[in-house]
Amino acid sequence: AQSVTQPDIHITVSEGASLELRCNYSYGATPYLFWYVQSPGQGLQLLLKYFSGDTLVQGIKGFEAEFKRSQSSFNLRKPSVHWSDAAEYFCAVGPPTSGTYKYIFGTGTRLKVLA
Amino acid sequence: EPEVTQTPSHQVTQMGQEVILRCVPISNHLYFYWYRQILGQKVEFLVSFYNNEISEKSEIFDDQFSVERPDGSNFTLKIRSTKLEDSAMYFCASSGGVLAPGRETQYFGPGTRLLVL
Repeated sequence: AQSVTQPDIHITVSEGASLELRCNYSYGATPYLFWYVQSPGQGLQLLLKYFSGDTLVQGIKGFEAEFKRSQSSFNLRKPSVHWSDAAEYFCAVGPPTSGTYKYIFGTGTRLKVLA
Repeated sequence: EPEVTQTPSHQVTQMGQEVILRCVPISNHLYFYWYRQILGQKVEFLVSFYNNEISEKSEIFDDQFSVERPDGSNFTLKIRSTKLEDSAMYFCASSGGVLAPGRETQYFGPGTRLLVL
């Protein structure tokens, strides 16, 4: 069955520290991969996406993610977290072939940043 | 930057009542979606809509649910007779519809939090 797992429900880091949010997927083929962020009262904002090519992708707000096919992972990283990064982060997969448009989401990781 | 908007931001209703959740997708987009997130659970796909008809729906999207594009800008989700378990955050999304499925980025609105009492 197709699924996305974000094993960390909550993560707390100090401002300025590095961050890694984990995402693993189970899918029949290599899907398209996305990270979204949701700040309180805001919609799901796209941080970055991977379709093909370079497995290290850069996104907005200084985030990057690395696709590792062998591990079926697409972990999100940031070298130095800012207080404004406190939010909920969602990993999602999209279908690489026609016939469906739906994204499959993980349960999200809520990030808390300590001053 | 164009964005998806949703109204209302919060809705409280009594069990058995009908609710209509409204969305204004990005203006030149062709595909529209509804997702929902029950508190503490995953964001789940409900339905996609293209060319004035449903292109795909999940098993959650039963006869109680319907979608409509009543005019050139709005996209609505109607729940005919709400149940307690319909309490969730409902997200609307839209995508351009030009590229292959999945390759199109879906842009999400801020959500409507529905509480059924």
